[in-house]
Amino acid sequence: DIQMTQAPSSLSASVGDRVTITCRASQTISDYLNWYQQKPGKAPKLLIFGASTLQSGVPSRFSGSGSGTDFTLTISSLQPEDFATYYCQQSYTTLFSFGQGTKLEIK
Amino acid sequence: QVHLVESGGGLVKPGGTLRLACSASGFPFSDYYMSWTRQAPGKGLEWISYISNTGGTIYYADSVKGRFTISRDNAKNSLYLQLNSLRAEDTAVYYCARVFSPVRSDLEVFDIWGQGTMVTVAS
Repeated sequence: DIQMTQAPSSLSASVGDRVTITCRASQTISDYLNWYQQKPGKAPKLLIFGASTLQSGVPSRFSGSGSGTDFTLTISSLQPEDFATYYCQQSYTTLFSFGQGTKLEIK
Repeated sequence: QVHLVESGGGLVKPGGTLRLACSASGFPFSDYYMSWTRQAPGKGLEWISYISNTGGTIYYADSVKGRFTISRDNAKNSLYLQLNSLRAEDTAVYYCARVFSPVRSDLEVFDIWGQGTMVTVAS
């Protein structure tokens, strides 16, 4: 099975900051990497698929990059509504493993 | 609009059974693969099962294989998850999600999610 590891597990930042979250796969997954955002008490929301393609309606301050085993999610200028937990997910195999999540909190 | 609504959660004793349902609307359900993902209280997301549009292809996570069964009824626009031999560690919110291939057929994402249904396994 493919293990997905995110770093950091939690992150404190301020409105306007640029933040980066990393995700590493235990084996190469090409660009089969998706990112989701989840707010407390809500279902996850798809942000980015194929490592770098923004889902329709997602603000352009979100971006993704990477290929192979190492990936990043970047938020260029944090907005109040961005404070949430972020998960990466591999879809290279149909055992769709998620990372453990990165909780983004207000500093 | 596109909508998924889960139901069937509740409190069940260890070793018990439960059947979850996910009702779909706003899209041609029979054209889409579907999935179940769960989230234990205060924990991360865990994918648990996936079914093709015809039901002919099914996958499970090792943690539920042999205990849980995914199925669907396209005539009723509904997805199901039968939970047997439940354990305390199965306590979680269970989400159904639509599987979508946005750019190429082998790149699958979970693009629409339901609001979840809570399953609590306790004596």
